[in-house]
Amino acid sequence: DIQMTQSPSSLSASVGDRVTITCRASQTINKYLNWYQQKSGKAPKLLISAVSNLQSGVPSRFSGSGSGTDFTLTISSLQPEDFGNYYCQQSYTTPYTFGQGTKLEIK
Amino acid sequence: QVKLVESGGGVVQPGRSLRLSCTVSGFIFTTSGMHWVRQAPASDNRLEWVALISYDGTHKYYVDSVKGRFTISRDNSKNTLYLQMNSLRPDDTGVYYCAKDGGRAQVLLGDFDYWGQGSLVTVSS
Repeated sequence: DIQMTQSPSSLSASVGDRVTITCRASQTINKYLNWYQQKSGKAPKLLISAVSNLQSGVPSRFSGSGSGTDFTLTISSLQPEDFGNYYCQQSYTTPYTFGQGTKLEIK
Repeated sequence: QVKLVESGGGVVQPGRSLRLSCTVSGFIFTTSGMHWVRQAPASDNRLEWVALISYDGTHKYYVDSVKGRFTISRDNSKNTLYLQMNSLRPDDTGVYYCAKDGGRAQVLLGDFDYWGQGSLVTVSS
């Protein structure tokens, strides 16, 4: 199975900060990398698919980059509503696998 | 709008069975691949993909830990997805989400663009 490793596991940042979360795959997954945001008690929400395709309705401060095994989710200017858990997920092959998550807190 | 509603969760003893259902609306179910994804209890919060079924039910895939115990199926006439869970174990405990594959027109992409609200399954004696 492909292992997905995110870093950091948690971070605390201020409104307006630029935030970066990284995700590393245990083998190449080309561009089959997706990012989700989850708030407490809610289902995950797809933010970005195929590395950099922003989903409809997702603010443009979110962006994704990378290829092969190393990927990044960036929030260009953190907003109060961006708190929550973020997960990467590979869709290169089954079993599809997720990173362990990054908990983002607002200072 | 797109809606996915799970039902059928509950508390069950180890070794017993449970069937989850997911009724959908707001998109063309008959051309969409569908998934089950579960999330461990709050202390862990890990997400785990469980199973995938193609739009017509001919292709099914499972994570190894549920192979031979869980069966994914669908009834396109009822816009409903199912997960039959047999021989349940304590480590099957978690919130089970049904999710729509992000592909269009019978194509599978392996991402999950719409999710249900989740159904809690607790396996405990």
